[in-house]
Amino acid sequence: SQELEQSPQSLIVQEGKNLTINCTSSKTLYGLYWYKQKYGEGLIFLMMLQKGGEEKSHEKITAKLDEKKQQSSLHITASQPSHAGIYLCGAVTGTASKLTFGTGTRLQVTL
Amino acid sequence: NAGVMQNPRHLVRRRGQEARLRCSPMKGHSHVYWYRQLPEEGLKFMVYLQKENIIDESGMPKERFSAEFPKEGPSILRIQQVVRGDSAAYFCASQLPGHKAKNIQYFGAGTRLSVL
Repeated sequence: SQELEQSPQSLIVQEGKNLTINCTSSKTLYGLYWYKQKYGEGLIFLMMLQKGGEEKSHEKITAKLDEKKQQSSLHITASQPSHAGIYLCGAVTGTASKLTFGTGTRLQVTL
Repeated sequence: NAGVMQNPRHLVRRRGQEARLRCSPMKGHSHVYWYRQLPEEGLKFMVYLQKENIIDESGMPKERFSAEFPKEGPSILRIQQVVRGDSAAYFCASQLPGHKAKNIQYFGAGTRLSVL
């Protein structure tokens, strides 16, 4: 079965700093999804990557999928308190529709 | 367009009681997934349903748990004779059918079940 490992597990950054979260898969990724979860709330869809080398950006968040499609990174530029939360990467395996999720990265942004 | 609606948001049950969790997908979405997030653990897939059909229940415990998605009405996740280990956040996600959906799943706010 596919496993996703995220690093770091937790992160505390000062407002305005940049940060990167990594997601590494034990198998080839057919679709990689980034979500954000705030405590006590559901998951908010951020971005989806499918092709090796693909890069997508939304506001100050950029996600990349490496050429071999086994690792993705999420980069936040000039972090803000609104970026705080738990970031989860999720992946589909082959033709299966269900998502396997990573362990999560808890981000805190200090003033 | 309302998002995925789950209710109740919080549910308290005593051991041995039944818990019913409801999920109304986004408009036009005919695929529903249920996931469970145990304390200090990651989000785990439970079951995947389309209207009136269970497509994949490989993540469902063999006993006490069942799910349905009738032709009319919300999807229901039912837990019979709850035990303390069932305490968790249960999330529902919905998805458009077809390849254009790109398998993007949209999540509800979850139901937090506490078993006393």
